[in-house]
Amino acid sequence: QVQLVESGGGVVQPGRSLRLSCAASGFTFNTHGMHWVRQAPGKGLEWVAAISYDGNDKYYVDSVGGRFTISRDNSKNTLYLQMNSLRPEDTAVYYCAQGVPRATQYFQHWGQGTLLTVSS
Amino acid sequence: IQLTQSPSSLSASVGDRVTITCRPSQGISNYLAWYQQKPGKAPKLLIYDVSTLQSGVPSRFSGSGSGTDFTLTITSLQPEDFATYYCQQLINYPLTFGGGTKVEI
Repeated sequence: QVQLVESGGGVVQPGRSLRLSCAASGFTFNTHGMHWVRQAPGKGLEWVAAISYDGNDKYYVDSVGGRFTISRDNSKNTLYLQMNSLRPEDTAVYYCAQGVPRATQYFQHWGQGTLLTVSS
Repeated sequence: IQLTQSPSSLSASVGDRVTITCRPSQGISNYLAWYQQKPGKAPKLLIYDVSTLQSGVPSRFSGSGSGTDFTLTITSLQPEDFATYYCQQLINYPLTFGGGTKVEI
């Protein structure tokens, strides 16, 4: 079965950097677009970033553009999110989500999430 | 594209029929999905492309609508259905979610 396991969250000071990872298994990783979705404490869902199956196309929500970089290593079945210049408003649970092998994307499977807290 | 969900919360009883509405700020064809989220858990896909039920999702869940007016219906609400529900548009980046509807006892 599909498994997505996020790691790398924690407590970080504003302005610092952190990298999240998502280890995928149970499906053919290099045929699916992948996504990061976050949820601030007590708030709704916010899509953050997407990457195409081959890594050639990347998309970001405006609030993280220029600070966050999504990437993938298809040889390791792993998705990444490099987060720089972190702000308190980036505090959230970050979910890795599996897209679908088509142009329009929904989130078929989700990881359990990893919590990022940005605080001094 | 902004998605407006209504109501933001509702109270219902086991066996009730529940309807949640999602209205996009512009037309999204049939590119809409619905998710269920329980406290402390990751969201779960229920429906995609407006009305296609994800494998394993009970048939009491259904989706309908088109253009700028979409609905998630739960017929005969079960105890395990008390959760928060989100709609999501698939047509354009940035992908966006509705604000959520909390279904409470």
